[in-house]
Order: sequence, then C-alpha cells, then structure tokens
Amino acid sequence: GAGVSQSPSNKVTEKGKDVELRCDPISGHTALYWYRQSLGQGLEFLIYFQGNSAPDKSGLPSDRFSAERTGGSVSTLTIQRTQQEDSAVYLCASSLTRSKEQYFGPGTRLTVT
Amino acid sequence: AQSVTQLDSQVPVFEEAPVELRCNYSSSVSVYLFWYVQYPNQGLQLLLKYLSGSTLVKGINGFEAEFNKSQTSFHLRKPSVHISDTAEYFCAVSVGNNQGGKLIFGQGTELSVKP
Repeated sequence: GAGVSQSPSNKVTEKGKDVELRCDPISGHTALYWYRQSLGQGLEFLIYFQGNSAPDKSGLPSDRFSAERTGGSVSTLTIQRTQQEDSAVYLCASSLTRSKEQYFGPGTRLTVT
Repeated sequence: AQSVTQLDSQVPVFEEAPVELRCNYSSSVSVYLFWYVQYPNQGLQLLLKYLSGSTLVKGINGFEAEFNKSQTSFHLRKPSVHISDTAEYFCAVSVGNNQGGKLIFGQGTELSVKP
C-alpha cells in the first residue's frame, strides 16, 4: 500500500520567508509525528498528533514553528520568518497507534539562504 | 529523561564479515526499542523492533538485535554483510504508552561495507 508521502521534496527559501511543509500519512494511522534531521543536532522530535487529542508540541524549537492536522489525516508544518538554522530535512512519520512502530516519509529538505 | 547512545559513529567492515552496531539507552521505565536504516537521500526504514516478549528479535535484510534489560542495551548484528548494507543506522527508544510514542534517537552509526 501507499506509504507516508511528503511535499515538496526540496524547498529553497530566503531568510525571513514563511514555508509550509505537507505530510500525508498512511491511511488509517491515527498517530502522526514530525521530526527534524540536521547535521549538528541529529534527529529531533518536533510535534506529535494522536487522534483528536491535543498535540504534543514539546519538541518545537521556537514559536515560529507550528503544525496542524486537518480531519485526522494530512498535516502541515509551518515555519514563519525562516532562519538559516532552520535548514534541515523535515521528516514525517505515522503509526497505527501511538505506541507502535512509526513509518517515515522521504522527507523535505529545507534550505534557507 | 530518556537518552540513546550509539557507541560508534562509523563502522568500516569488509564484505561478508560479521558486524555489530552498539546501542545503549537510559530510561527508568519500560521502553520500546527500534533500529532504523537510512540509505543516502532517503527516509528512515524500520529494520526491527522490540515491544515485548522474546529478547532476540529478527528484522529485515538478515539483521537481528538482542534486548538486554540489565545492561540497557539493544545491539544490532548481522553475521555477513553485503555492499548494499552501506547506510546509516539509528537506534531509537519510545517510552511506553503514556509517553505518546515519540522516538528518541541516537546519533547514528555509519556502516561502510568495503569489497
């Protein structure tokens, strides 16, 4: 079946611009996660959605980062006023329930110039 | 707080040799443990998982790992590696049902298989 998909695959933006990254989870998966992968920090958890519960935003690095999940499916990660340190690969994952294995998308490579 | 330590950042090995990638974790509660593999310019692919039950778990591509609770380790092994196993490997821990399942990752081990 279809896996987790993310778009765009690559995004180049100028410092100060806003960007939106999209994630389509595996159909039927109730949990959705965003992670960031960068050379200096490795793989970091950002935010997690589980069904209709309030999201766990404990990993968001600043208030410039936000995410939403509409209709329990598609999720959008928004970064406002991008900075060069936001350059990274943003990975989305979904799982059948919150305690089971997560399946990752191919990622969005964000470059802030 | 939970943490994961991968003891080797790079592991070079010759083709058909055995390999072990080491992972230690710290947690005061029960955990679920995972190994993921990342090929160049790709996302993460699940290799294997420990949720409960037998401490020896088998995964894809001939890999296996053993959960050792007393040593808080989850080392990954393969008896004979192939060139195609060249990739970065990540150990991760997810802490129990009440922790939401978010993954804490180690820093990764780059496995380089040489002919």
